[in-house]
Amino acid sequence: DGGITQSPKYLFRKEGQNVTLSCEQNLNHDAMYWYRQDPGQGLRLIYYSQIVNDFQKGDIAEGYSVSREKKESFPLTVTSAQKSPTAFYLCASSIWGGIAKNIQYFGAGTRLSVL
Amino acid sequence: EDKVVQSPLSLVVHEGDTVTLNCSYEVTNFRSLLWYKQEKKAPTFLFMLTSSGIEKKSGRLSSILDKKELFSILNITATQTGDSAVYLCAVLPAPNTPLVFGKGTRLSVIA
Repeated sequence: DGGITQSPKYLFRKEGQNVTLSCEQNLNHDAMYWYRQDPGQGLRLIYYSQIVNDFQKGDIAEGYSVSREKKESFPLTVTSAQKSPTAFYLCASSIWGGIAKNIQYFGAGTRLSVL
Repeated sequence: EDKVVQSPLSLVVHEGDTVTLNCSYEVTNFRSLLWYKQEKKAPTFLFMLTSSGIEKKSGRLSSILDKKELFSILNITATQTGDSAVYLCAVLPAPNTPLVFGKGTRLSVIA
């Protein structure tokens, strides 16, 4: 089935630890995105990538890092510098360019909690 | 700064009621507006609107855009408990930029 797979579904982080959230898509989409969702806050953009080996910061990039070595993969690392990491993290992808092509499709999310 | 504001933030209705969700925006070079439904996890795409006055419809859901007044509404008629979800509005402000999302409206439909 075509789609976006996020793993794990649940993740716990100890203080001072870096953790990596996985996002893989088989939709052949050019662009991929990471969002953070907190209660009552909607979706806030962390990073996005339009093409392989290139990515841009979103509104809340501090304390996070990403890589885009393959078209289908866009992992997000939550570093120890992120002081409030507890949230629901959503990955999305889309074709890049053109009005109709900016429909984003989402994975099922990863819920990160701090121990 | 690009901004999308949804109202109300939450809403409780009874089955069979009709609801209207609002989305207003202030963005540069507006391209399109999208509605998503988020039940438990992944938001799912509902509609994309690019032109004023043209209603998009899918079953009991419909949506329309007013580019002059900078807003969109999402209507749900004869609501069912399965319509309970967070409804997200997002705007594409310019070519080759990410979507800007509102905070969402949490709809609860009770039997």
